[in-house]
Amino acid sequence: ELKVEQNPLFLSMQEGKNYTIYCNYSTTSDRLYWYRQDPGKSLESLFVLLSNGAVKQEGRLMASLDTKARLSTLHITAAVHDLSATYFCAVGTSGTYKYIFGTGTRLKVLA
Amino acid sequence: DGGITQSPKYLFRKEGQNVTLSCEQNLNHDAMYWYRQDPGQGLRLIYYSQIVNDFQKGDIAEGYSVSREKKESFPLTVTSAQKNPTAFYLCASSIKPSGWNSPLHFGNGTRLTVT
Repeated sequence: ELKVEQNPLFLSMQEGKNYTIYCNYSTTSDRLYWYRQDPGKSLESLFVLLSNGAVKQEGRLMASLDTKARLSTLHITAAVHDLSATYFCAVGTSGTYKYIFGTGTRLKVLA
Repeated sequence: DGGITQSPKYLFRKEGQNVTLSCEQNLNHDAMYWYRQDPGQGLRLIYYSQIVNDFQKGDIAEGYSVSREKKESFPLTVTSAQKNPTAFYLCASSIKPSGWNSPLHFGNGTRLTVT
């Protein structure tokens, strides 16, 4: 059974600081996704990672994938308040349409 | 514009009543999904459907039922057998495996409260 774990679960950081969110998954997968959720809202797609070594960047966020380690990271550079949200990774089960989500990381950026 | 429409946004029901949540998409996506989110927690998969007239149980299907009679529609019924139905329900869709570069697209969710 595919399991997805994120850490930390909660993250409070100062503006301007860097930090990394980790996403570990338990079985082989060929695709990984990152989403953002604002309070009370739906999920917004951030990144799609489909191969080992894939790296995607958008603004202050950069995501990477290591399929051998079954690990993806979401790196935040010089955080700003607008990045405050909950971030989820999701892993696709090989050969199926099934997507399993991580527990989420609730990020709060303090001014 | 293409997207996923969930209705209603808020839904209140008495315990013991069945309730149906609507999900419609005009993205021409083959696969559709229902997830449940509890406060401060991640998303758990209830049911998913790859094609019309076919669907599979997710991790927490007990107390729920679905149908997929049309490609565009994937309604979820929360039955009285679901012990803790109060939650935020999210519907999503995706294209076929040949397009894995496309992520799940989500609706805006239905917040169900059962008292």
